[in-house]
Amino acid sequence: DAGVIQSPRHEVTEMGQEVTLRCKPISGHNSLFWYRQTMMRGLELLIYFNNNVPIDDSGMPEDRFSAKMPNASFSTLKIQPSEPRDSAVYFCASSLNRLNTEAFFGQGTRLTVV
Amino acid sequence: AQTVTQSQPEMSVQEAETVTLSCTYDTSENNYYLFWYKQPPSRQMILVIRQEAYKQQNATENRFSVNFQKAAKSFSLKISDSQLGDTAMYFCAFMKQGGSEKLVFGKGMKLTVNP
Repeated sequence: DAGVIQSPRHEVTEMGQEVTLRCKPISGHNSLFWYRQTMMRGLELLIYFNNNVPIDDSGMPEDRFSAKMPNASFSTLKIQPSEPRDSAVYFCASSLNRLNTEAFFGQGTRLTVV
Repeated sequence: AQTVTQSQPEMSVQEAETVTLSCTYDTSENNYYLFWYKQPPSRQMILVIRQEAYKQQNATENRFSVNFQKAAKSFSLKISDSQLGDTAMYFCAFMKQGGSEKLVFGKGMKLTVNP
């Protein structure tokens, strides 16, 4: 398997624009996670899906952030409108099921909002 | 809420030597998992080692081993025979058993292995 695939790897956008980050989890994995990494706050969980259903979105910072998982092989994280403080590395991770604790991470998307 | 603390922001070690990375955590849970993840310059997060809290035996994976002290809530990582490829950020992480599979990460520690 190619692992968790995220796109794009890098994104530079202007403040106020909409940004969409994409993730393809490992085939057969039932759980998907979106994390954000910043120097100030480290790695934080934004949202977690199990079987395509959002289970915990308490980490989503505000209404400008939304995430969807329309099917088992695809998820998006959208920021609208984007702000400079959203600049970070966004990671997607997946795991096999709730009994298997190892999460496999994608290579992340580095987002810069200018 | 659970918290994970890595008090050493940065360390360096000579190639072939042994280094220990410290981690403490705070939780009221009795059943949980602890992890060490490695993040090299490529940015990929890679699982190094995992420990189940109910297991008294310390986990080992080749050159990597942990010292898990449940009562003290301490979870240190020992890297033996350090290699240049071990240069990376290292993150300690906690996950409560059952319920949400949320990983709670420490702030990380930068390890540099010098030739």
